[in-house]
Amino acid sequence: QKEVEQDPGPLSVPEGAIVSLNCTYSNSAFQYFMWYRQYSRKGPELLMYTYSSGNKEDGRFTAQVDKSSKYISLFIRDSQPSDSATYLCAMSERYIPTFGRGTSLIVHP
Amino acid sequence: NAGVTQTPKFQVLKTGQSMTLQCAQDMNHNSMYWYRQDPGMGLRLIYYSASEGTTDKGEVPNGYNVSRLNKREFSLRLESAAPSQTSVYFCASVRSGSTDTQYFGPGTRLTVL
Repeated sequence: QKEVEQDPGPLSVPEGAIVSLNCTYSNSAFQYFMWYRQYSRKGPELLMYTYSSGNKEDGRFTAQVDKSSKYISLFIRDSQPSDSATYLCAMSERYIPTFGRGTSLIVHP
Repeated sequence: NAGVTQTPKFQVLKTGQSMTLQCAQDMNHNSMYWYRQDPGMGLRLIYYSASEGTTDKGEVPNGYNVSRLNKREFSLRLESAAPSQTSVYFCASVRSGSTDTQYFGPGTRLTVL
């Protein structure tokens, strides 16, 4: 079993939908949690970063961490076709992050 | 401010050939990383350098070597390329003052025939 599990999708939603992306993990020592967005044939770019349990909001994006359940989520409100990308979760104790496999999201007009 | 740059963008090698992938960052970051990304496998760490002068193995180091040339540059060398090394290679660096938020380069697409 991998340390970080993420459903690869694809997840297909209509424009304007609320999207929920999730990862589970097994290492209770993880304390940094990140979401990266990766467009086709590009490098990943940091989207959200959280240190503790709870919610963090940035525009249409909300990152949620539940350490007791070892579960993290990324919510995208009012999804747009430009949100179509692969979303990778990542988490770490210190310097070495462990990445999920990524979820492919398709937002169709 | 170019961020993280990688060269070349594309490369085709024959089995047994060698090559070096170059990475440079201009953000004064201390730590740098090399990953490979394969379909369905996510990002896997090959080597990393926590600071100038140090390098350590990651999850999949076999067949690769690295050099942290200075604070800005971190190169990845394939001494004898194999078809199993066909992949997309990403270099990343960590923002100073924040231990784990990585900034990625655009990637190098390598095909080994």
